[in-house]
Amino acid sequence: KQEVTQIPAALSVPEGENLVLNCSFTDSAIYNLQWFRQDPGKGLTSLLLIQSSQREQTSGRLNASLDKSSGRSTLYIAASQPGDSATYLCAVIKNSNSGYALNFGKGTSLLVTP
Amino acid sequence: DTEVTQTPKHLVMGMTNKKSLKCEQHMGHRAMYWYKQKAKKPPELMFVYSYEKLSINESVPSRFSPECPNSSLLNLHLHALQPEDSALYLCASSQVVRAQPQHFGDGTRLSIL
Repeated sequence: KQEVTQIPAALSVPEGENLVLNCSFTDSAIYNLQWFRQDPGKGLTSLLLIQSSQREQTSGRLNASLDKSSGRSTLYIAASQPGDSATYLCAVIKNSNSGYALNFGKGTSLLVTP
Repeated sequence: DTEVTQTPKHLVMGMTNKKSLKCEQHMGHRAMYWYKQKAKKPPELMFVYSYEKLSINESVPSRFSPECPNSSLLNLHLHALQPEDSALYLCASSQVVRAQPQHFGDGTRLSIL
């Protein structure tokens, strides 16, 4: 079974800092990897999607990388802002005919203080 | 604003009640999903519909009954739920199964008394 681990579980940084969130997965046979943001009591907002053939994706201040061989992905947030405070989840989907489900990590709870 | 709309946003029901959760998307997606999320846990897949047909049932108890009346709507019928079923129920959609990204609604917060 695919295990997805996110480190750290929680992170508090002052506004303006650059930060890195880590995600690792045990089975490198993935179809793609997706990073989400979840605000308290809300649904998930898709941030970045990386196909298995890609190595990184960028959107604004966010950059996500993927290293399939080592089973790792990182989400880099530049110049963090208080509005970035949320839980960040990474999820992978298996590369198989039955791989419909997103396998989520437990998330990193981020707090950016003014 | 989310492109996947879920109603109601909050639901409180007794264990003997029958209620339904609704999900709607107008993006032309042909895959729709129900997830369950307990507090401080990641979402867990419950059901997958592909072209209005049930593709995946992740061993969900029969007190949860999904229905996909058309390509834009997904329902989750609830009956005789238990207190441990209290959770955030999330609906998602994608163009087709395994086509990403999955777009999520804001969820229905369900409390069972």
